[in-house]
Amino acid sequence: LAKTTQPISMDSYEGQEVNITCSHNNIATNDYITWYQQFPSQGPRFIIQGYKTKVTNEVASLFIPADRKSSTLSLPRVSLSDTAVYYCLVGVNAGNNRKLIWGLGTSLAVNP
Amino acid sequence: DGGITQSPKYLFRKEGQNVTLSCEQNLNHDAMYWYRQDPGQGLRLIYYSQIVNDFQKGDIAEGYSVSREKKESFPLTVTSAQKNPTAFYLCASSMGPGTYEQYFGPGTRLTVT
Repeated sequence: LAKTTQPISMDSYEGQEVNITCSHNNIATNDYITWYQQFPSQGPRFIIQGYKTKVTNEVASLFIPADRKSSTLSLPRVSLSDTAVYYCLVGVNAGNNRKLIWGLGTSLAVNP
Repeated sequence: DGGITQSPKYLFRKEGQNVTLSCEQNLNHDAMYWYRQDPGQGLRLIYYSQIVNDFQKGDIAEGYSVSREKKESFPLTVTSAQKNPTAFYLCASSMGPGTYEQYFGPGTRLTVT
């Protein structure tokens, strides 16, 4: 069964690049890796999704090594508004069912 | 505006009462989900539905029930059998099986005393 592990918290400063890594053992070959951002008392918001190598969009990059046992969310030049909890999610297709494996979240604090 | 709505935002109930949380989406999504989030914790899946009139238990379904009579709606009932119902409840939807981008509602904070 796939399981995800990510750091509980991280600190950064405005303008720095932040990298948050999620480990996912036993991820199946057809799993995608998705990252979400959550602010207090709100629902999570999709950031980025990938299957292998590197994916980039307007807000983040996602790096997935060849063995796919981990993934790294990269936030370039963070600002105070990026202070939030970041979750990785691994999806597993199992026949007609889906198994969703969420990490426990990384609380990122961006300081002035 | 397309989106997913949950109501109410805050809900208070006495112990022993059943309570139903509303979730509606106008995104034309086939799949819908209910999660529970406790303070400082991640998301735990309660139930999910991939299509109308069908739903599956998630990791913590005991004490909860759902229905999916319409594509747009996926209400969650927290029954009196749920031992610790006080939590933040999140509803989400996605285009369908195999698509993992989930759109979340604003959540309902349920307090049971």
